[in-house]
Amino acid sequence: KAGVTQTPRYLIKTRGQQVTLSCSPISGHRSVSWYQQTPGQGLQFLFEYFSETQRNKGNFPGRFSGRQFSNSRSEMNVSTLELGDSALYLCASSFGGEKLFFGSGTQLSVL
Amino acid sequence: SQELEQSPQSLIVQEGKNLTINCTSSKTLYGLYWYKQKYGEGLIFLMMLQKGGEEKSHEKITAKLDEKKQQSSLHITASQPSHAGIYLCGADTNTDKLIFGTGTRLQVFP
Repeated sequence: KAGVTQTPRYLIKTRGQQVTLSCSPISGHRSVSWYQQTPGQGLQFLFEYFSETQRNKGNFPGRFSGRQFSNSRSEMNVSTLELGDSALYLCASSFGGEKLFFGSGTQLSVL
Repeated sequence: SQELEQSPQSLIVQEGKNLTINCTSSKTLYGLYWYKQKYGEGLIFLMMLQKGGEEKSHEKITAKLDEKKQQSSLHITASQPSHAGIYLCGADTNTDKLIFGTGTRLQVFP
């Protein structure tokens, strides 16, 4: 079984731009969660999608959004990028929301 | 303050030594997960603990859950360079999402 796939692996953007990250969950998993990881804050929960519906949301500004497609693939979008958005963005999938399987992440650098 | 505190923040041990990493929650634990991460990469699932007093082992790594104290410990016996990485605990506190500790960075030198 293929694992969780995140693309792209690395991304460099400038302030004010927007970015879209993609996540393909493990086959059969319907829940996709997104996390932001920074050295100072650790792993912070962004949101979770289950069957195309946002089921849970963390404390991030509205610039951070996401969606899930009928095949369970998910995207997250960050608009009007700020320097502080530089981070490793991790996607995790699960069958029902408990035990998470993580992708390798997308390393976003905002210049 | 963090809902999930890990200690120590970093650990440097000589190969062959035993070590323990602790994870303490400020909320009731309904499940506790241990993950390992190589720098800049994703998290690899190690173990899941759900019942008070539960203890699980995999190769040289043992994890225990003390439900009353709302804490878990991860013990590595006879550490090896392959154990190096960042260890994170994740907690299910009945909020429909996993929260994570800030991690413990482990270095093992020959």
